[in-house]
Amino acid sequence: DSGVTQTPKHLITATGQRVTLRCSPRSGDLSVYWYQQSLDQGLQFLIQYYNGEERAKGNILERFSAQQFPDLHSELNLSSLELGDSALYFCASSPGVKNQPQHFGDGTRLSIL
Amino acid sequence: GQQLNQSPQSMFIQEGEDVSMNCTSSSIFNTWLWYKQDPGEGPVLLIALYKAGELTSNGRLTAQFGITRKDSFLNISASIPSDVGIYFCAAPGVQGAQKLVFGQGTRLTINP
Repeated sequence: DSGVTQTPKHLITATGQRVTLRCSPRSGDLSVYWYQQSLDQGLQFLIQYYNGEERAKGNILERFSAQQFPDLHSELNLSSLELGDSALYFCASSPGVKNQPQHFGDGTRLSIL
Repeated sequence: GQQLNQSPQSMFIQEGEDVSMNCTSSSIFNTWLWYKQDPGEGPVLLIALYKAGELTSNGRLTAQFGITRKDSFLNISASIPSDVGIYFCAAPGVQGAQKLVFGQGTRLTINP
């Protein structure tokens, strides 16, 4: 158990819809990272938050947004969903100090019908 | 952008055999990480390497941080069925940043 909790585990929805994925980091970790894993693209970094503020952005679509709340949990919002958004979405956390590795949750599997 | 080239893409071995996989890049990194992913689960950190030339073990797993800082190797000795899974190398994508760049993964299959 990595200590990173993601909900829901599975999500099935239709094109055009909006979903929210939730992540609770390990106790004491200030940084939260979101990654997308698809069959053809592998694991791709989306966005990082540190102590409530956006720290780094990857190839995240404009239809996607995230935030980190005062209690340090984070949410990834995906809107106007397309078939190609079907993927595993992982959250990872770290203390936020340099050279401290990231620990991953078990992901949310998003299926767009 | 920065890329990690991981090989082999897949391995089919007999139980008890040793396994070697590697990760190379044209970029220099200060940290190399190795993760394992089982079906339906997230990547689990196996070994973290922070210094060029460093050799670190975790049970039957041994990883090395290449001297050039452009590569890393993971070895598994005396493989067992629970070693089955996908192994990923990863490194911080930009100097000083913590977002990770991942290799394409090595899928390990073990025949009993």
